[in-house]
Amino acid sequence: GAVVSQHPSWVICKSGTSVKIECRSLDFQATTMFWYRQFPKQSLMLMATSNEGSKATYEQGVEKDKFLINHASLTLSTLTVTSAHPEDSSFYICSASLRDTQYFGPGTRLTVL
Amino acid sequence: QQQVKQSPQSLIVQKGGISIINCAYENTAFDYFPWYQQFPGKGPALLIAIRPDVSEKKEGRFTISFNKSAKQFSLHIMDSQPGDSATYFCAPGVAGTASKLTFGTGTRLQVTL
Repeated sequence: GAVVSQHPSWVICKSGTSVKIECRSLDFQATTMFWYRQFPKQSLMLMATSNEGSKATYEQGVEKDKFLINHASLTLSTLTVTSAHPEDSSFYICSASLRDTQYFGPGTRLTVL
Repeated sequence: QQQVKQSPQSLIVQKGGISIINCAYENTAFDYFPWYQQFPGKGPALLIAIRPDVSEKKEGRFTISFNKSAKQFSLHIMDSQPGDSATYFCAPGVAGTASKLTFGTGTRLQVTL
């Protein structure tokens, strides 16, 4: 139980284009999901908290107009990286909360050329 | 942002040995203390978690020890196996589905034959 999926698992895009990443809780409903970014050999950095039916809460220093988050249902949150640039290349990981535990997706590797 | 520091940064242990990873935090409001295991290219997976009402919790080969006064908790891996080779993160937080976790700096564990 408590499985979280992400799609796609990896994506390569050209600079200036937008990329959408989906995060789904497969066997439970999650009113709250989180989006993280992880650079190689570094820890996870929380980008934003996604709440179903309301606006996301972004961490300090994260551009909300660049990283658009939509949590339209209790099982789906999406992260759209708009006008991506090479410095946005990273490993993006989502998590979904079930009671006190955050269950993480497998991550999405984004490479911007 | 409140810091969460792990030590050591990396650890090499022989098969069958005991791996010990420590986590120190500053925020006295934390009341949920999980450890996550992450393999390369994958999302973190919850290994074991503890609440402050107990000082120790054991699940199989994994044990958490908690020292509230010192604001520290540790992960002990008994009978370490090569399959345990991964990066381990402590991620204390405040219990609740909407609560954020604060990830530690990470410890890379290598278990040798």
